[in-house]
Amino acid sequence: KNEVEQSPQNLTAQEGEFITINCSYSVGISALHWLQQHPGGGIVSLFMLSSGKKKHGRLIATINIQEKHSSLHITASHPRDSAVYICAYVKNNDMRFGAGTRLTVKP
Amino acid sequence: DGGITQSPKYLFRKEGQNVTLSCEQNLNHDAMYWYRQDPGQGLRLIYYSQIVNDFQKGDIAEGYSVSREKKESFPLTVTSAQKNPTAFYLCASNMDRVGNTIYFGEGSWLTVV
Repeated sequence: KNEVEQSPQNLTAQEGEFITINCSYSVGISALHWLQQHPGGGIVSLFMLSSGKKKHGRLIATINIQEKHSSLHITASHPRDSAVYICAYVKNNDMRFGAGTRLTVKP
Repeated sequence: DGGITQSPKYLFRKEGQNVTLSCEQNLNHDAMYWYRQDPGQGLRLIYYSQIVNDFQKGDIAEGYSVSREKKESFPLTVTSAQKNPTAFYLCASNMDRVGNTIYFGEGSWLTVV
């Protein structure tokens, strides 16, 4: 069993829809990252969370440390948001990655 | 601009050959990492280095080797001992191992022919 579980694995949405991607993990952590991987393979870091909520443009990330759960929300989704979204947790000197959620936003 | 540069982007290797993937960063980061990504799976750690001249094995180090002679550089050699080397390889770095934003290179696609 993966130590980081993401859902859904695949998500297709219409432009303008509100998107939610979920991430659950099984251990106490120092921080959680949300990453975006583009079709060419390059990865960028979207958020790093230790608690609460962060917002950047149309992206919002929340984390509940007690429940070991984080969500990534995209408001007013756009085709350029199409990518694989990966959550990863940091614990001590280790980082573990989820398998990713492939998001496709159709115009 | 600061960042991580990986090369080559695409590489083809014959069975039995060693190949080396380059990773260079100008972010002055102490920690550097190599990950492997297979279709439908999460990133898996091959090796990491927290300081020059020191590196540690990750989860799937067998068949790989690294060096860290300079802070900026962390090359990965995929040896002939790696039985299934066809994959996407990502290099990453951050200031230290915990609690800092991590930066990724663009990745290298390795195919064994």
